Amino acid sequence: DSGVTQTPKHLITATGQRVTLRCSPRSGDLSVYWYQQSLDQGLQFLIQYYNGEERAKGNILERFSAQQFPDLHSELNLSSLELGDSALYFCASSKSTDTQYFGPGTRLTVL
Amino acid sequence: GENVEQHPSTLSVQEGDSAVIKCTYSDSASNYFPWYKQELGKGPQLIIDIRSNVGEKKDQRIAVTLNKTAKHFSLHITETQPEDSAVYFCAASIGRGSTLGRLYFGRGTQLTVWP
Repeated sequence: DSGVTQTPKHLITATGQRVTLRCSPRSGDLSVYWYQQSLDQGLQFLIQYYNGEERAKGNILERFSAQQFPDLHSELNLSSLELGDSALYFCASSKSTDTQYFGPGTRLTVL
Repeated sequence: GENVEQHPSTLSVQEGDSAVIKCTYSDSASNYFPWYKQELGKGPQLIIDIRSNVGEKKDQRIAVTLNKTAKHFSLHITETQPEDSAVYFCAASIGRGSTLGRLYFGRGTQLTVWP
C-alpha cells in the first residue's frame, strides 16, 4: 500500500459525459501528479500540482482539467468524453519533485 | 522532451535465473531514474531508484546501474521467483525547468518467471 488513495476504482460512462476522479496524496506530500495509462500510449504524464498550484502540464487535453484543494487532495475532471479516453488514470504524490508513489488507479470505460 | 526506450518488451526466465531490463534516455539533463513494478490491476510500485551522481545501487535481489556517458540504465533481478512476474517500467526525470519532477516512462517489460 503506497498511502495514495484514488476513488472511484472503476467508472463506466457514456460518450459526451463528464466525470471527476479523486486522489488523496500520502500524508505530508505536497505534490500530486496525474498520469494516463493506455495500451497505445503507455504511461503519459498529464499534469502536476504543488501545494495547490499548477506546476507542470504534459499532454493533457483541453477537455481535461484538474485542481488541488487546500487539504491537498486533487481532482481530475474529464469532460465531453470520447471512446479514446478509456484508460487507467493514476495519481502519484511526492514530497518534492522526485520519488513518486502511485495510487491504485481509476479504470475509466467510455461506452 | 525526454524519450525513454525500454528493452525487451517481454522476458521469460526460469525460477532462480537472473533477469536484465535495459533502458536508454535522450536528455542528458535527466538526473533521476526510478523503476516501477506493476502487477495486474494495481498501480505502479516503486522498487528501486538511482540518481545521476551514483553509478550503481543494490537492494537485496534487485540492482540498478547507470551509465551517464552512454545514457542508459539497467535493472538486474537475481534469483528470480514466480512472484517477480509483473510488468516493469523504467522512467527518467529531468531535474530542471518546467519539466521538474515529471516522469517519462518506458513502454514496459512483461517479465514472466516460470517455476
